[in-house]
Amino acid sequence: GQSLEQPSEVTAVEGAIVQINCTYQTSGFYGLSWYQQHDGGAPTFLSYNALDGLEETGRFSSFLSRSDSYGYLLLQELQMKDSASYFCAVHGAGSYQLTFGKGTKLSVIP
Amino acid sequence: DSGVTQTPKHLITATGQRVTLRCSPRSGDLSVYWYQQSLDQGLQFLIQYYNGEERAKGNILERFSAQQFPDLHSELNLSSLELGDSALYFCASSPGVRPRGYQETQYFGPGTRLLVL
Repeated sequence: GQSLEQPSEVTAVEGAIVQINCTYQTSGFYGLSWYQQHDGGAPTFLSYNALDGLEETGRFSSFLSRSDSYGYLLLQELQMKDSASYFCAVHGAGSYQLTFGKGTKLSVIP
Repeated sequence: DSGVTQTPKHLITATGQRVTLRCSPRSGDLSVYWYQQSLDQGLQFLIQYYNGEERAKGNILERFSAQQFPDLHSELNLSSLELGDSALYFCASSPGVRPRGYQETQYFGPGTRLLVL
């Protein structure tokens, strides 16, 4: 089976940097994705890592360490609109499905 | 707008009833996924269809069933509804062309909010 752990809530100040961690346990692993979901909205894809290291997309970066079964999402220059829930999700090797963590609710305060 | 549409947006029904949720994937996408999102369980994968055939099954109850039609739209049928089935139900789609385990971005629809009273 697969399980993921991420903090339930994080608060950060506008303009600052925040890191959302995700650890996973899986019997087979291909990659880690991150999705953003605003209240009442649909999840939207942010980033994907299959190899160790950092992937950067604008203000957002995602990191993966396969040996540590660990990844994180880094949000820079935080804006109020970044207040949302962020989910990590595992792509299991030999599987078509995504297994999502329970999400981290990020609150950006002035 | 992801290009995935879901109807209805809201549904209120009573315990014991049956409902059907509908999803139209993005143009060209062959894979459709159904997820249930409740407050305490996060996003739970239910089932995936690819080009009309079931491809993967997750935590889907026996009271729930789905199908994908030749025009690629999909329906999720929920029967003998219980209070605990109240949740947001999302449909997502992806091209479906990559092999098992490879990453394909999933594009989510706006969801159907089901309330069982």
